[in-house]
Amino acid sequence: AAGVIQSPRHLIKEKRETATLKCYPIPRHDTVYWYQQGPGQDPQFLISFYEKMQSDKGSIPDRFSAQQFSDYHSELNMSSLELGDSALYFCASSLKGGTQYFGPGTRLTVL
Amino acid sequence: SQQGEEDPQALSIQEGENATMNCSYKTSINNLQWYRQNSGRGLVHLILIRSNEREKHSGRLRVTLDTSKKSSSLLITASRAADTASYFCATASYSGAGSYQLTFGKGTKLSVIP
Repeated sequence: AAGVIQSPRHLIKEKRETATLKCYPIPRHDTVYWYQQGPGQDPQFLISFYEKMQSDKGSIPDRFSAQQFSDYHSELNMSSLELGDSALYFCASSLKGGTQYFGPGTRLTVL
Repeated sequence: SQQGEEDPQALSIQEGENATMNCSYKTSINNLQWYRQNSGRGLVHLILIRSNEREKHSGRLRVTLDTSKKSSSLLITASRAADTASYFCATASYSGAGSYQLTFGKGTKLSVIP
């Protein structure tokens, strides 16, 4: 069965640079979620989209923005990167209100 | 304050033994879910228990939920070396806009020794 696809899998950036992470949900899933997991930490909810509209917002910094496109894929844009942004970024998808299925994550390292 | 505190933080057992992990949370929930994560990898959904359920089974997994105590437990029976991973509980809060956010606990790191 198709799973959530995230790209890139690894990304290395310098401080103050920008990064764009992409997420391709499971086919026919209409909801996408983004989570951030720092080293040794639990995942923290950032933001979600349902049918291309933002549906919920968590602890997402103002430097980050995200959107869901007409084909349901989503992108997380991160600007003015800081050392503390180094983390695993997970995307999950679901049918409306259903079980969230997580992608393999993008490991972002900010130097 | 933290939702989904887990206990113990780390657990080491022999293969074949049972492993029990506990989770406590602070606010009301729609459901509680358990996820597994192998080191540095994605989260795998294990089981969901709704707020009106008390116990649920799935293969070697047994989950209980006590909403009066705001706690849940995950029991893995007859553990295997392949069960070595971190286990997280997550509470679901629905936004009413078609989605819900998961609030994860700190996780229990389980090591199963062959």
